[in-house]
Amino acid sequence: SQKIEQNSEALNIQEGKTATLTCNYTNYSPAYLQWYRQDPGRGPVFLLLIRENEKEKRKERLKVTFDTTLKQSLFHITASQPADSATYLCALENDYKLSFGAGTTVTVRA
Amino acid sequence: EADIYQTPRYLVIGTGKKITLECSQTMGHDKMYWYQQDPGMELHLIHYSYGVNSTEKGDLSSESTVSRIRTEHFPLTLESARPSHTSQYLCASSEFTGRTQGEQFFGPGTRLTVL
Repeated sequence: SQKIEQNSEALNIQEGKTATLTCNYTNYSPAYLQWYRQDPGRGPVFLLLIRENEKEKRKERLKVTFDTTLKQSLFHITASQPADSATYLCALENDYKLSFGAGTTVTVRA
Repeated sequence: EADIYQTPRYLVIGTGKKITLECSQTMGHDKMYWYQQDPGMELHLIHYSYGVNSTEKGDLSSESTVSRIRTEHFPLTLESARPSHTSQYLCASSEFTGRTQGEQFFGPGTRLTVL
């Protein structure tokens, strides 16, 4: 069956450090993968899209990698700040729609 | 500016009531979606639309129905609410670009509680 797995445990890090989040998938062949940020009680907000033929994408302090052989995407937040505290969702293209993981909650301590 | 609106934001109703959750977007997007999300869980697609007069059921079975009479409006209706319908409902929209789909824009959500 199809499955999307993100870090099951919340991530607590010190301000200024790099947070690394994992998204693993099974029985999908996505043409692209997206990452979203979700704050409590709000809808997700788009952050980055990476296509199957791209290995890495960057946007400001964010970096995403996509390894279709390992069936894995890594999401990095460098020089983390307390304002980065949120839940981060990965979403895979699946038959012209998106399938979402359950997300990883990140807390950045000042 | 990208805007997508949902009303009401919070709704508490009794079992058996009929309810309609409203969703409107001002971006002229063809594709619209309804997701259901329980706390700490993934978003589940329950309905989507490629444009006016187009509606499809999503991956998660739902007793709700939707309509798409106007591009900007995609309401979701529950004919008879039950406690099992208690959840967060999120509406989203995106441009239709074939398989290479752009970002989805989400509304703030409606938190529904059925007593």
